[in-house]
Amino acid sequence: EAGVAQSPRYKIIEKRQSVAFWCNPISGHATLYWYQQILGQGPKLLIQFQNNGVVDDSQLPKDRFSAERLKGVDSTLKIQPAKLEDSAVYLCASSLAGTNTGELFFGEGSRLTVL
Amino acid sequence: GDSVTQMEGPVTLSEEAFLTINCTYTATGYPSLFWYVQYPGEGLQLLLKATKADDKGSNKGFEATYRKETTSFHLEKGSVQVSDSAVYFCALSPPGGYQKVTFGTGTKLQVIP
Repeated sequence: EAGVAQSPRYKIIEKRQSVAFWCNPISGHATLYWYQQILGQGPKLLIQFQNNGVVDDSQLPKDRFSAERLKGVDSTLKIQPAKLEDSAVYLCASSLAGTNTGELFFGEGSRLTVL
Repeated sequence: GDSVTQMEGPVTLSEEAFLTINCTYTATGYPSLFWYVQYPGEGLQLLLKATKADDKGSNKGFEATYRKETTSFHLEKGSVQVSDSAVYFCALSPPGGYQKVTFGTGTKLQVIP
């Protein structure tokens, strides 16, 4: 079974530029998450989708971050314009809906460096 | 809101030493509790879980017991190996709803031969 796929793995941009990250969850997983992991900290939930609807985006900085999950499968997270403090690893995870086991399957992450 | 507090690292142990990583949580009701592990260069993966009070989760020689009275879920292993070197994250998910998982800050473990 293929795992969660993310791209790009690494991205370096200058502040005020834009960047987009892509995620393909495990087939059949209805719930998709984007987490931000700053160096030395735990993952922080940015947005959670159930199919193609948003369940929780309370910690998403909506003035610069946006995310979509068209057709309830792939998802894209965009940052525009980027700030220095956005340097982090962006983790995508997916899970089966309805089980409430809390078991998330993570991709390897996309590491963003903002200069 | 829900939160998880872990002991700060890094933790450095010799091979075959006993490991404890402390984790306490704040949540309403009876959340599910988890330990995730992140090996160098890899994504996070679930290590073990417990879904109700007094449950013990176990995997790969690691254990953790859900203690409602002390709101704790400490991770233990009797004899660590070099291959256990990783970052360990305690996490919780509230009952019902849409499985919102909240993570602690992580504890880095380094095991030396």
